[in-house]
Amino acid sequence: GQSLEQPSEVTAVEGAIVQINCTYQTSGFYGLSWYQQHDGGAPTFLSYNALDGLEETGRFSSFLSRSDSYGYLLLQELQMKDSASYFCAVARAGSYQLTFGKGTKLSVIP
Amino acid sequence: DAGITQSPRHKVTETGTPVTLRCHQTENHRYMYWYRQDPGHGLRLIHYSYGVKDTDKGEVSDGYSVSRSKTEDFLLTLESATSSQTSVYFCAISGGSEQFFGPGTRLTVL
Repeated sequence: GQSLEQPSEVTAVEGAIVQINCTYQTSGFYGLSWYQQHDGGAPTFLSYNALDGLEETGRFSSFLSRSDSYGYLLLQELQMKDSASYFCAVARAGSYQLTFGKGTKLSVIP
Repeated sequence: DAGITQSPRHKVTETGTPVTLRCHQTENHRYMYWYRQDPGHGLRLIHYSYGVKDTDKGEVSDGYSVSRSKTEDFLLTLESATSSQTSVYFCAISGGSEQFFGPGTRLTVL
């Protein structure tokens, strides 16, 4: 089977940096994705890592270590609008399915 | 934004009645998915499709069926709705490593 673990809640101050971790167990691992979902909205794609290392997209970065079965999403210069739930998801080789973690609710406070 | 719509957006129904949810895309993507989202469970895959008339089960397929007679439409049917199927249902499409989600359908089964 597959499993993903991420913290259920994180609180951070506006302007600060926050890291949301994700550990996974899966056979045939292919890549790790991150999605953002605001309350009442649909999930939206943030990033995808298939190789070890850091991928940067503006204020958001995502990291993957395949040997540690671990990844994280880094949000810099936090803004109030970043308050949302963040999901990691694993893709398996030969499959177009994703398995999602249960999500991390990020609250950004003034 | 990816052209993906869901209908209806909200539905209240009674236990034992059949319900069909529709997902429509204008992106000509091969892969389509149905997820349900419940508090504490994240996004769980119900069924997915990898082409017209080609579908397969996901993690939580019991009580659900799907059909895809055209590339653009993916239907999810609850043959006899139960209260445990009260949830928010999301359709998604994919042409690669990224999934695009529809706006969701909030279904309440009384």
